[in-house]
Amino acid sequence: KQEVTQIPAALSVPEGENLVLNCSFTDSAIYNLQWFRQDPGKGLTSLLLIQSSQREQTSGRLNASLDKSSGRSTLYIAASQPGDSATYLCAVRLNGGATNKLIFGTGTLLAVQP
Amino acid sequence: EAGVAQSPRYKIIEKRQSVAFWCNPISGHATLYWYQQILGQGPKLLIQFQNNGVVDDSQLPKDRFSAERLKGVDSTLKIQPAKLEDSAVYLCASSLEPFTSYNEQFFGPGTRLTVL
Repeated sequence: KQEVTQIPAALSVPEGENLVLNCSFTDSAIYNLQWFRQDPGKGLTSLLLIQSSQREQTSGRLNASLDKSSGRSTLYIAASQPGDSATYLCAVRLNGGATNKLIFGTGTLLAVQP
Repeated sequence: EAGVAQSPRYKIIEKRQSVAFWCNPISGHATLYWYQQILGQGPKLLIQFQNNGVVDDSQLPKDRFSAERLKGVDSTLKIQPAKLEDSAVYLCASSLEPFTSYNEQFFGPGTRLTVL
């Protein structure tokens, strides 16, 4: 059974700091991995999607890496801003067939202090 | 482009009552998902529809939960009767179709259910 874990559960950093969020999964047979952002009272916003054959994806100040063999992914946020404060969730897709099931981690609550 | 719409945004009911949630996916999206997110946890897939057919409902508590997607567009999720442990945010998501390698799911704002 695939399990997804995120560490730390909560993180508080001063504005401008670079930071890393961690995601680990127990079964390396994944199809892809996504990082989402969730703001209070709102749905999830997809940030980055990494295919199983890829090592990393970048979007602006965000960089996500994937190491399937070790069952790990990291989300790197450069020059953090107060607007980055949110809960960050990673999710793995198990296969490429009709079932597009995502298994989510429990999230990391990020607070960026001005 | 309009996003995924959900209503109501909030609902408070007493245990053993019934409740229904509505979702309107992004136009043209064939696949629709309902997730349950309990406080402090990540979302858990309840049911996935491909057009108006069910692809995966393995984690749907079928004794009390039901869902339908008539005409392959809007969807309704119902709980009858509700239990205290059903208190959660119910998220609806949609995607074009699952067979592409890049298949992003777009999420609605969710419905926060409180069962007293």
